[in-house]
Amino acid sequence: KAGVTQTPRYLIKTRGQQVTLSCSPISGHRSVSWYQQTPGQGLQFLFEYFSETQRNKGNFPGRFSGRQFSNSRSEMNVSTLELGDSALYLCASSTLTSKDYNEQFFGPGTRLTVL
Amino acid sequence: KNQVEQSPQSLIILEGKNCTLQCNYTVSPFSNLRWYKQDTGRGPVSLTIMTFSENTKSNGRYTATLDADTKQSSLHITASQLSDSASYICVVSDFDGSQGNLIFGKGTKLSVKP
Repeated sequence: KAGVTQTPRYLIKTRGQQVTLSCSPISGHRSVSWYQQTPGQGLQFLFEYFSETQRNKGNFPGRFSGRQFSNSRSEMNVSTLELGDSALYLCASSTLTSKDYNEQFFGPGTRLTVL
Repeated sequence: KNQVEQSPQSLIILEGKNCTLQCNYTVSPFSNLRWYKQDTGRGPVSLTIMTFSENTKSNGRYTATLDADTKQSSLHITASQLSDSASYICVVSDFDGSQGNLIFGKGTKLSVKP
């Protein structure tokens, strides 16, 4: 089976712009979670989608949003980018929701740099 | 507040040596604890997942232990290799049967030197 894929792998934007990141989960996985990873804060949970519905949400401002399509592919959008949004954005897929006892598989991440 | 604390923050060891990484958590309710390995510039890869009733779990040269009474876990790496150089992240789930979250530690950065 192909692993979790994320596109693009690298992205450079300027403050005030918006960005859309894409995640394709492992075939058959219905849950997609998004995380932000920075050197100072480590991995922080953004939100999770399961069968096209947002099931869980972390403590991020409304500028961060996401959606999931019927084929389980997911996108996250960040509007009005700020310098502090520079980070590695990871998505992870699993068969069940992240809170259940099941393994999450992470993608390689999208490195976003905001100038 | 649910928290996961890892120590040390960073560690340098020589190839072939053993090492142990620590994870202390104050998470309630406790559902399961996971250890991930993350190579630089890549996504985390699961090493082990343990529930309340599991005390130890191995994955090759990696052995995780869990003491649910003291709320501590450790990851022991035997006969380290250069490829073990990575960040190791401890994650705890507080799922209570209907809802929950994954709480991440900030990781331990391990460097294995020849």
